[in-house]
Amino acid sequence: DADVTQTPRNRITKTGKRIMLECSQTKGHDRMYWYRQDPGLGLRLIYYSFDVKDINKGEISDGYSVSRQAQAKFSLSLESAIPNQTALYFCATSDLHGGRGTYNEQFFGPGTRLTVL
Amino acid sequence: GDSVTQMEGPVTLSEEAFLTINCTYTATGYPSLFWYVQYPGEGLQLLLKATKADDKGSNKGFEATYRKETTSFHLEKGSVQVSDSAVYFCALSDRSNYQLIWGAGTKLIIKP
Repeated sequence: DADVTQTPRNRITKTGKRIMLECSQTKGHDRMYWYRQDPGLGLRLIYYSFDVKDINKGEISDGYSVSRQAQAKFSLSLESAIPNQTALYFCATSDLHGGRGTYNEQFFGPGTRLTVL
Repeated sequence: GDSVTQMEGPVTLSEEAFLTINCTYTATGYPSLFWYVQYPGEGLQLLLKATKADDKGSNKGFEATYRKETTSFHLEKGSVQVSDSAVYFCALSDRSNYQLIWGAGTKLIIKP
């Protein structure tokens, strides 16, 4: 079974709809992240969480919100979707201590392809 | 602020060719450096890493050396295969805040 799972894998929605993307992990990591990927722009950080009570905005948090329901679950919401939020969304996790001296090695889910019409 | 610049793609090579994908960075302090790979339809996975100057990361025939003097971490492979076709991302980790700073990605296409 995959260590980091995302649901749904694909979603098509309309402008103005509320959308929730879910992420679950079995790695036991404290840190979780949401990124979006756009062609030619690499990955941009939306939100990150260092534990259940710690939520932080990333580079592009406007129009998004998150919820850390448990150590293993981190959800991303688009309150009112707009077409320029069409992208590939990734959840990632990392160990608090970076693992054997390697800082912030992150483990990714398979991604959710979101299309906003 | 910290940044990562990698060569634009796509890079198209024939099977068994030598590969180099350039990556340079700007950072304060001494970041850790990573190469991630994204195969079609999949998430990113760590390919290799280096945590200090002159370290060489290696995996699956790929290598990259952390060059502090040239602020570079170029990815190389001596003989590429069709299965290496993917998007490759260079990234650095700031040790003060544990964030990953990403390059834009380089798409690699290997033709048989």
